[in-house]
Amino acid sequence: GAGVSQSPSNKVTEKGKDVELRCDPISGHTALYWYRQSLGQGLEFLIYFQGNSAPDKSGLPSDRFSAERTGGSVSTLTIQRTQQEDSAVYLCASSPRLETQYFGPGTRLLVL
Amino acid sequence: KQEVTQIPAALSVPEGENLVLNCSFTDSAIYNLQWFRQDPGKGLTSLLLIQSSQREQTSGRLNASLDKSSGRSTLYIAASQPGDSATYLCAVLRVNQGGKLIFGQGTELSVKP
Repeated sequence: GAGVSQSPSNKVTEKGKDVELRCDPISGHTALYWYRQSLGQGLEFLIYFQGNSAPDKSGLPSDRFSAERTGGSVSTLTIQRTQQEDSAVYLCASSPRLETQYFGPGTRLLVL
Repeated sequence: KQEVTQIPAALSVPEGENLVLNCSFTDSAIYNLQWFRQDPGKGLTSLLLIQSSQREQTSGRLNASLDKSSGRSTLYIAASQPGDSATYLCAVLRVNQGGKLIFGQGTELSVKP
């Protein structure tokens, strides 16, 4: 079946602009995660959605970052007033609760 | 705070060698541990998941072990092939921490033909 998909695959933006990154999880997976992978920082957790529970936002680096998940499926990660340090690969994953996480190909964000 | 460390950071071996990648974690209160593979410019592919109650998992030429009490896991790759060249990441899922994985920095493996 289809895996996790993310769009866009690449995004170049100017400092100060807002960006939206989209994730389509595997159908039926109740859990959805966002991670960020940047040079020198490795892979770091951002936010986690599980069913209808309140999301775990403990990994979001600042209030410029927000995410939502509509209808328990598609998720959008929004970064407002982007900064150069936001440049990274943003990875989305989904899983059937606390099991193997399946990752999408990522969105490569470059803030000029 | 859970910290995950992978050694070595990079490894280059000739084709056919058996090799071991190491992962250590500081907090033994984990729910499971996963090994992933990441090819350049790609996302992560799950290789093996070991539940905290398990000692090892095997898939083909891959074998992962877990010693929760000592905070260690190893990924054993038998008869390495050039196609195994990639970055290997281990990640732990902590108890009562929801679904967030804590990742190591990875081991970059190069298998020379």
